[in-house]
Amino acid sequence: QKEVEQNSGPLSVPEGAIASLNCTYSDRGSQSFFWYRQYSGKSPELIMFIYSNGDKEDGRFTAQLNKASQYVSLLIRDSQPSDSATYLCASRGSGTSYDKVIFGPGTSLSVIP
Amino acid sequence: EPEVTQTPSHQVTQMGQEVILRCVPISNHLYFYWYRQILGQKVEFLVSFYNNEISEKSEIFDDQFSVERPDGSNFTLKIRSTKLEDSAMYFCASNREGADTQYFGPGTRLTVL
Repeated sequence: QKEVEQNSGPLSVPEGAIASLNCTYSDRGSQSFFWYRQYSGKSPELIMFIYSNGDKEDGRFTAQLNKASQYVSLLIRDSQPSDSATYLCASRGSGTSYDKVIFGPGTSLSVIP
Repeated sequence: EPEVTQTPSHQVTQMGQEVILRCVPISNHLYFYWYRQILGQKVEFLVSFYNNEISEKSEIFDDQFSVERPDGSNFTLKIRSTKLEDSAMYFCASNREGADTQYFGPGTRLTVL
């Protein structure tokens, strides 16, 4: 059973600080990774996707991927109270399971004004 | 900006009844998905659909579930005989060919009494 793991939190950071969210995955063949934000009662909203080892930056968000360690992270710079949400890490399966996207349990982030 | 839409937003049904959840994916997307999220739990993959057939399904997607693309725009999930444990948010998602990133609809909250 392929899994994606995350610390459930809650993670609390003060406004303006950097929030660091981590994720590990078990399917060594996975090539595509995603970070979604989910507000309570709402659907997941795509924030970032990453395919290559290293960093990928988009505004205040930076995704990092280390395939050797099977590790994905998301950094949120200058955290705002509106960033308070649950952050979901997801990966696509490998090979014939490519169409199967596995989500982690999510990390709850609270940004304190 | 095009969006995935889902109807109804909330469905209440009696145990043993059949329900059909409806989705309209983004118009140029060719890959369609259903996920569910039981309250307080993670987003779980149910099924993916491409070229008018199921491309991948999870162990949750048993004989009680079926999917259909009855016309050029709708994508439906049918649960034949609902159980109490089917109560969850059901999300539809889609992506275009050649792209990994999925976009989610707002969800249908299914309550089985």
